[in-house]
Amino acid sequence: DSGVTQTPKHLITATGQRVTLRCSPRSGDLSVYWYQQSLDQGLQFLIQYYNGEERAKGNILERFSAQQFPDLHSELNLSSLELGDSALYFCASSVDGRTGYNEQFFGPGTRLTVL
Amino acid sequence: AQRVTQPEKLLSVFKGAPVELKCNYSYSGSPELFWYVQYSRQRLQLLLRHISRESIKGFTADLNKGETSFHLKKPFAQEEDSAMYYCALSGRGAGSYQLTFGKGTKLSVIP
Repeated sequence: DSGVTQTPKHLITATGQRVTLRCSPRSGDLSVYWYQQSLDQGLQFLIQYYNGEERAKGNILERFSAQQFPDLHSELNLSSLELGDSALYFCASSVDGRTGYNEQFFGPGTRLTVL
Repeated sequence: AQRVTQPEKLLSVFKGAPVELKCNYSYSGSPELFWYVQYSRQRLQLLLRHISRESIKGFTADLNKGETSFHLKKPFAQEEDSAMYYCALSGRGAGSYQLTFGKGTKLSVIP
């Protein structure tokens, strides 16, 4: 599959814990975006990386952080988890995303449940 | 602040009937507008982009800057159109092109 992949598909953990979500972009895509989808807030942009560097931040909590590695995969780290962090986390990738809009291709998402 | 509003959470129409999914936006500048679709158990995918002015799967959307709207239309709904539809905008010139989404409208086409 040459599309965006995300692991794990599902994650169940307890409050106060820390988890790492992983995203592999499409081959050749340099930008990675993270979005959170919750019932009350809908789909919200969290953060963007371009070629290893943070490009833009959205509504990302201080307890959350992300990075993009030299092989361009990205990880979203969520710590001190709260019940309200339960959501679907999507990753998307695009070719560039700096000088103009490039179509963003979405992964299947990781469903996080915090108990 | 940029915002996208989709007033209908759920829209049910009969097969063969016209469909209009509403989208209004708020943005100071010239945004790009999109419609994304998510079919059952599939990932989110781009349906339409206002700049391309294409018709995809019979759907069209016209950007009305005066009314700040980007409604999605189809003259004759098909059962396979049942899905979640998200309107989204992307700002220009900010150096980043993340998407701001509406909360989505679930379209249900009744056979």
